Amino acid sequence: EPEVTQTPSHQVTQMGQEVILRCVPISNHLYFYWYRQILGQKVEFLVSFYNNEISEKSEIFDDQFSVERPDGSNFTLKIRSTKLEDSAMYFCASRQGTSGYNEQFFGPGTRLTVL
Amino acid sequence: GNSVTQMEGPVTLSEEAFLTINCTYTATGYPSLFWYVQYPGEGLQLLLKATKADDKGSNKGFEATYRKETTSFHLEKGSVQVSDSAVYFCALSFPTSGTYKYIFGTGTRLKVLA
Repeated sequence: EPEVTQTPSHQVTQMGQEVILRCVPISNHLYFYWYRQILGQKVEFLVSFYNNEISEKSEIFDDQFSVERPDGSNFTLKIRSTKLEDSAMYFCASRQGTSGYNEQFFGPGTRLTVL
Repeated sequence: GNSVTQMEGPVTLSEEAFLTINCTYTATGYPSLFWYVQYPGEGLQLLLKATKADDKGSNKGFEATYRKETTSFHLEKGSVQVSDSAVYFCALSFPTSGTYKYIFGTGTRLKVLA
């Protein structure tokens, strides 16, 4: 069964450093998303992406964040200058979009630890 | 705005007990409703879903019915197992800006004792 994959599973970085989190969505999906989950808290929407542009972003997704689909398979989330409060689990999700159904399929997540 | 409210956890049950995890929502229009499960150290897995009023989603013995009149989507299982120990998230999906966005509840941790 096709699935969303994410790498790395765990990333440790120093405050102020740039990180890139990578995702490979399901191959025939058209819509892509990033969510984050601070430890013990709810899953929060960050951004949605379609047709090579951001379709919606939350107030969390400030100028330090960017997303890109550099080729036909990867979908990346970049944090330019990490802060301690960026420590969280980051989930990528994708949605097919061609049918009327709107289920999103989630990857296993990348745990980001900012020291 | 749209929101999801879930019952506070943790919920601790003995094996074979009956489980209910309450979820209510606030939404304009007609959202789809989901339950996701997160096992320790893993990502979010779709447990079940319902797309319209009175739909019942079911999977692995879990059930939830989309109740528009009470704006609820409570998760139930007749007999829990130790392997059901996980965090359960209620979520709704609604259209926005040409896409669909999920809003999650805070999650309810379930611990099942042998």
